[in-house]
Amino acid sequence: DAKTTQPPSMDCAEGRAANLPCNHSTISGNEYVYWYRQIHSQGPQYIIHGLKNNETNEMASLIITEDRKSSTLILPHATLRDTAVYYCIVRVYKAAGNKLTFGGGTRVLVKP
Amino acid sequence: NAGVTQTPKFRILKIGQSMTLQCTQDMNHNYMYWYRQDPGMGLKLIYYSVGAGITDKGEVPNGYNVSRSTTEDFPLRLELAAPSQTSVYFCASSYGEKAFFGQGTRLTVV
Repeated sequence: DAKTTQPPSMDCAEGRAANLPCNHSTISGNEYVYWYRQIHSQGPQYIIHGLKNNETNEMASLIITEDRKSSTLILPHATLRDTAVYYCIVRVYKAAGNKLTFGGGTRVLVKP
Repeated sequence: NAGVTQTPKFRILKIGQSMTLQCTQDMNHNYMYWYRQDPGMGLKLIYYSVGAGITDKGEVPNGYNVSRSTTEDFPLRLELAAPSQTSVYFCASSYGEKAFFGQGTRLTVV
């Protein structure tokens, strides 16, 4: 799996968009970008994933650069409940499943 | 739909004791995983399974054993507990793009 680099922490204001960067310069053509988050002491939660096109769901948007070497997770209107550690993971997609390798993630603090 | 259920939620063990952390999922997922998370750190993969009867080591398997006799259950066994195994343990299952995690077992070895 390709290695990812994320800033260790960031703050954002409640109600504003939170933009979380991830660098994955060694990503290969068949690897997807996944985002998970872990709210304090809970199990990680899937947010979104993508291959090369931008993706959006009810939780967030994922913007992947054209060369696929970096991506940004966007939380459009951050709330206090979005305070969590966000993990960017790159891995090959397998229909039956595939193990996840977690790095340090970005600790996001949403402030009132 | 219960998802991934872990028991117990909390446990204190004495050095040298053994215990089994239970994990069960009701989503019929073939892939299941055990992770540990030390304070302030990311999750590290202990063992995983791609289906009943098939298990493999992850990044930090020493001191642990697993078995997978059914699709639903994936217990993690600690034979001789050591203080270094004090951690939060997460079980997960996955199919396709999503992994689903349990709420964790907080284990303290004293």
